[in-house]
Amino acid sequence: GQQLNQSPQSMFIQEGEDVSMNCTSSSIFNTWLWYKQDPGEGPVLLIALYKAGELTSNGRLTAQFGITRKDSFLNISASIPSDVGIYFCAGNFQGAQKLVFGQGTRLTINP
Amino acid sequence: DAGVTQSPTHLIKTRGQQVTLRCSPISGHKSVSWYQQVLGQGPQFIFQYYEKEERGRGNFPDRFSARQFPNYSSELNVNALLLGDSALYLCASSLAVEQDAFFGQGTRLTVV
Repeated sequence: GQQLNQSPQSMFIQEGEDVSMNCTSSSIFNTWLWYKQDPGEGPVLLIALYKAGELTSNGRLTAQFGITRKDSFLNISASIPSDVGIYFCAGNFQGAQKLVFGQGTRLTINP
Repeated sequence: DAGVTQSPTHLIKTRGQQVTLRCSPISGHKSVSWYQQVLGQGPQFIFQYYEKEERGRGNFPDRFSARQFPNYSSELNVNALLLGDSALYLCASSLAVEQDAFFGQGTRLTVV
């Protein structure tokens, strides 16, 4: 089945630092989505990407849809304590009804 | 506007029992999907429904079933519960099949 490889699995950073995480796939994806999940809650959609090469920002978050359509990255600038959580990439390929998720990146911020 | 709502939020069941989870999509959304998320992993696709018809099924046994009602709400049923069914069950709604998916807060199912 389709799989997404998300890295890193975890990050420990200082408040104010920039963060970068990425996802790669063996298949071409139609859409890339980035979610954040807090403990005990459902994933919250951060950014959605629809076209190869697309670069989209949402406040301090920036994500890009890779040119090959097999990868995507998410950057967070000037991290703050509320950025703590688990970040998931997800995507679907053409004609598929399901989202395929990465394994998640757990972000921890030291004040 | 209300987001995706799921009920109940927590549930404890015994092995062999049956469970029904409920989901109300965002107003105007016609597609509902169900995902299972076990601890430490990303969500895994179970079903998608659009306009009351099943549009996709993940790699789950026949003990899992779902349906969508005329008001686009949905139920997920799991029969003959196993310990391994313990997980966070997430419902997501979208305008259409391949549109952005918005998740509810999930139902935490514990099977003992």
